[in-house]
Amino acid sequence: DTGVSQDPRHKITKRGQNVTFRCDPISEHNRLYWYRQTLGQGPEFLTYFQNEAQLEKSRLLSDRFSAERPKGSFSTLEIQRTEQGDSAMYLCASSLSVWGTPGTEAFFGQGTRLTVV
Amino acid sequence: AQKVTQAQTEISVVEKEDVTLDCVYETRDTTYYLFWYKQPPSGELVFLIRRNSFDEQNEISGRYSWNFQKSTSSFNFTITASQVVDSAVYFCALSEPDNAGNNRKLIWGLGTSLAVNP
Repeated sequence: DTGVSQDPRHKITKRGQNVTFRCDPISEHNRLYWYRQTLGQGPEFLTYFQNEAQLEKSRLLSDRFSAERPKGSFSTLEIQRTEQGDSAMYLCASSLSVWGTPGTEAFFGQGTRLTVV
Repeated sequence: AQKVTQAQTEISVVEKEDVTLDCVYETRDTTYYLFWYKQPPSGELVFLIRRNSFDEQNEISGRYSWNFQKSTSSFNFTITASQVVDSAVYFCALSEPDNAGNNRKLIWGLGTSLAVNP
């Protein structure tokens, strides 16, 4: 396994368009996280999944954002009616959680850089 | 509320100097985990260390060392004999476990941009 994979690496879209990003986690990892990072800032948590269940969503995740992990493997993050403020790096991470332990650390993909023009 | 503060925005050193990156955190929980990640210009976040709140032993890994002081809520990172390849943004982060003991989301500092000049 080559690690967490994100596609596309870069996306330029016009304001108002919908975009979808994909994340393929490390294969045996049951947790998958989405973060957003803007220039000069640390990552901000958006949401995370345990297998196919979405366990937590940040208030940053407005109703224009939706994330899915239908089969507990890859995940998609969709942004509808994009706004210029959505321009950011969208980071995906995965980890293996084992009940009663902290699990592995989170391994990150290279991110998808979104530019809304 | 959880919070991570990295007061140093940018640090510039000359190769072979030692450098310490500061991290101060806030949490109400007694059980938590602290992390350092490196983000080189390529953008991918690279895990460096995880430390749980019950383990205050300092750790050394090659040129890297970490000083965890619960009394001051700090988890500082020192690079000894810095090299140009150490140039990156370094993030400190905090996580609290869920009911199953697993790490939840990471709360991140703003990062410290380290430039190591030849």
